[in-house]
Amino acid sequence: ETGVTQSPTHLIKTRGQQVTLRCSSQSGHNTVSWYQQALGQGPQFIFQYYREEENGRGNFPPRFSGLQFPNYSSELNVNALELDDSALYLCASSLMGRVRQETQYFGPGTRLLVL
Amino acid sequence: TQLLEQSPQFLSIQEGENLTVYCNSSSVFSSLQWYRQEPGEGPVLLVTVVTGGEVKKLKRLTFQFGDARKDSSLHITAAQPGDTGLYLCAGARNNDMRFGAGTRLTVKP
Repeated sequence: ETGVTQSPTHLIKTRGQQVTLRCSSQSGHNTVSWYQQALGQGPQFIFQYYREEENGRGNFPPRFSGLQFPNYSSELNVNALELDDSALYLCASSLMGRVRQETQYFGPGTRLLVL
Repeated sequence: TQLLEQSPQFLSIQEGENLTVYCNSSSVFSSLQWYRQEPGEGPVLLVTVVTGGEVKKLKRLTFQFGDARKDSSLHITAAQPGDTGLYLCAGARNNDMRFGAGTRLTVKP
C-alpha cells in the first residue's frame, strides 16, 4: 500500500452535474497530481498542486479545477459533467525537492461513470 | 497522442517464456518510471531510472534507460501468471509525469 487514499471509490453522476473527488496524500509528501485514465488508456495528467497552488496543468478545460489544503490533501472538482468524463481518476502524491520532484505514489482511484 | 509510445500494445505468452516491452519517445526525460496496474486499481511503482544507460534488476525484471534518456525497456525472464497486468512507463518532465498507453501482458499457465 502507498498510503495514498481516495474517496469515493465509485460514483455515478448524470450529464451536467458537478462532482468532487478527494485524495489524502502520503505522510511527508507535499505535492499531489491528478490523472484521468479512460478505459484501455494510460493516465492523462490533469494538474498538479504544490503548497496549495496549481503547479502545472495538462490539456484539460477549466471546468476541471482543484484545491490543495494545508495538510496537503486535495480535491478535484469537475463541473458540467460530460459522458466522456467517465474514467478512473487517480491521484498521486510525491515530495517536491529542490532539484526535482521525487517518485509519485498512486492511490487506488475513483471510478466515475457519467450517464 | 501519447508522448510516450509503448509496444507491443498487447502481449500474450506462455508461462516460462521471456519477453521485452518497449517505451519510446522523442523527448528527453529527467527520469523514467515503470508501473504495473491491476484492473480497477492505481498503478504500482516497479522502478525509477534516472541516469542514461542505467540498468536495474528487480528479481526476474530488468529495466534499462536509454543513453539519451528518451526510451526504456522492460525485460521479464521466465514469465509467470502473476506477472499478468498492464505495464505503464512514465517520463518525468518539469512538474508533470507523462504516461504511455501501456502494454497489456497476459501470461498463461
